[in-house]
Amino acid sequence: AQSVSQHNHHVILSEAASLELGCNYSYGGTVNLFWYVQYPGQHLQLLLKYFSGDPLVKGIKGFEAEFIKSKFSFNLRKPSVQWSDTAEYFCAVNPYNTDKLIFGTGTRLQVFP
Amino acid sequence: DAGITQSPRHKVTETGTPVTLRCHQTENHRYMYWYRQDPGHGLRLIHYSYGVKDTDKGEVSDGYSVSRSKTEDFLLTLESATSSQTSVYFCAISDPDLAGVNGGELFFGEGSRLTVL
Repeated sequence: AQSVSQHNHHVILSEAASLELGCNYSYGGTVNLFWYVQYPGQHLQLLLKYFSGDPLVKGIKGFEAEFIKSKFSFNLRKPSVQWSDTAEYFCAVNPYNTDKLIFGTGTRLQVFP
Repeated sequence: DAGITQSPRHKVTETGTPVTLRCHQTENHRYMYWYRQDPGHGLRLIHYSYGVKDTDKGEVSDGYSVSRSKTEDFLLTLESATSSQTSVYFCAISDPDLAGVNGGELFFGEGSRLTVL
């Protein structure tokens, strides 16, 4: 079955630390890739997405993600986190030409001042 | 703002009672989705719709039914609620369509928190 794996369930960082959250998927064909963020008590919002072209995608709030096709990965990065980045982060995969978006289990990020 | 309204936002009910959650959109989008969010499971697709009266199952559809009689409304019904259906339910629309040539993305509503006692 198609699946999305986020191995980091809970990450705790201090402000200014660098962040990398892992995302791997099991679908073998062409995919569109997404990272969503959910701030406490809010709904999900799109951070960034990859459809084609440059595998390094830049999103909002200084986030970026790199698509490595050979590794079936789409890891999220930020050079220097802020307290306001405290949230839950979800990786999601849309197998090409399908109607569904499959989410990972999420990574809870806590950033301390 | 994607113009998605969910109601009710909070509901407490008892096991065995029917529950209907409503999702209303103002954007005239074709695709609408219902997800449930649970700790340790992320978001899981329950059902989705690709037009009026056109629906399909997601990965956790057992115990749920949906209806879409108008473009703007997508209803999720729990015929007989169980404690395992205690969750936060999110409605989403895609703009443009996920399967479209331009690639789409999902926009989510604020969520409906359901507690089944």
